[in-house]
Amino acid sequence: TQLLEQSPQFLSIQEGENLTVYCNSSSVFSSLQWYRQEPGEGPVLLVTVVTGGEVKKLKRLTFQFGDARKDSSLHITAAQPGDTGLYLCAGTSNTGFQKLVFGTGTRLLVSP
Amino acid sequence: EAQVTQNPRYLITVTGKKLTVTCSQNMNHEYMSWYRQDPGLGLRQIYYSMNVEVTDKGDVPEGYKVSRKEKRNFPLILESPSPNQTSLYFCASGSSYEQYFGPGTRLTVT
Repeated sequence: TQLLEQSPQFLSIQEGENLTVYCNSSSVFSSLQWYRQEPGEGPVLLVTVVTGGEVKKLKRLTFQFGDARKDSSLHITAAQPGDTGLYLCAGTSNTGFQKLVFGTGTRLLVSP
Repeated sequence: EAQVTQNPRYLITVTGKKLTVTCSQNMNHEYMSWYRQDPGLGLRQIYYSMNVEVTDKGDVPEGYKVSRKEKRNFPLILESPSPNQTSLYFCASGSSYEQYFGPGTRLTVT
């Protein structure tokens, strides 16, 4: 079974700080996705990265896919309270089957 | 509005009483999937479907059944629920590269 480990598990910061969340595996994935989930709701897709070394930016969020397609990172610049939530990475299996594996999640709290 | 709907949103039931959680999407997606989310274990895939009449097991299929007779619907069936199936369940549609999740069904089995 392919596993995705996220770190840190919890992060509590002040508004305006920068942060990075990591998503690591020993397996190769054909794509990596990042989702954000708020309490009582389903995860919402933020971005999909498919090419090794790919970098995507979404306003203050920067996503990177590792060169070997085994890991990914999410960097948030000048965090805001609205960024608070559970961040999940998810990988699509490289075996040709359409299974999706989710990481364990990083819970972010941004205080004013 | 493009969306994935699930019903019911909340359900409390007893061990052994068969139940079905419905899932419907209006985006004409071929791919649909069911997940359960548990504290400390994250989101785990139960079953997925590539198209009508095509389903396959995810990582935790034991105790669950699914069917895909129509493109828009993908019900999750618990033939004989047990307390270890108490969880938060999500249906999703899209593709393995991007998925759109429903609002979740919180199931408690006593």
